[in-house]
Amino acid sequence: DAGVIQSPRHEVTEMGQEVTLRCKPISGHDYLFWYRQTMMRGLELLIYFNNNVPIDDSGMPEDRFSAKMPNASFSTLKIQPSEPRDSAVYFCASSLSRGQGDYGYTFGSGTRLTVV
Amino acid sequence: SQKIEQNSEALNIQEGKTATLTCNYTNYSPAYLQWYRQDPGRGPVFLLLIRENEKEKRKERLKVTFDTTLKQSLFHITASQPADSATYLCALDRSNTGKLIFGQGTTLQVKP
Repeated sequence: DAGVIQSPRHEVTEMGQEVTLRCKPISGHDYLFWYRQTMMRGLELLIYFNNNVPIDDSGMPEDRFSAKMPNASFSTLKIQPSEPRDSAVYFCASSLSRGQGDYGYTFGSGTRLTVV
Repeated sequence: SQKIEQNSEALNIQEGKTATLTCNYTNYSPAYLQWYRQDPGRGPVFLLLIRENEKEKRKERLKVTFDTTLKQSLFHITASQPADSATYLCALDRSNTGKLIFGQGTTLQVKP
């Protein structure tokens, strides 16, 4: 398996533009998570899905953020409109059975978003 | 408020020594705790999981302890190598739902 695949790796966009981040989880994993990482706040959980259903989106900062998981092999995180304070590294992670086994979460390489 | 605290100062040690990193938490009663390694520009990589009924867990040169009374986990790397230099993150599932909350991480630098 190629692991969790995120695209794009880097995104630079202007304030006010729509940004879509993409994630392909590991096949067979039933949980998918979106995290955001900044120097100031560390890794913050934005939203997670179980079997493609959103379970907890309490970490989504504002209505400008939305996430979907139309099927077991694809998820998107959309920011519309984007703002400079959204600049961060966004990680997608997947796990089997809540990550309680001996394998934890598998993270992607992240998307570094810069909003200018 | 609920917190996970890791030493924010970088830990610098000499190659061959044992590195010990600390994770303290408050107002949680987690069923398990996880440790991850993160290299610059990369996503975190899972290392170990320890359950509340396990006092200690080992994997090669890594050892993790979990003291639910002290609300603390210690992460040890024995015979450290420069390749062990990275940021190490601890994480808790505070509500046993799979929703992992991460500490800020401690950066380890192993000097040859």
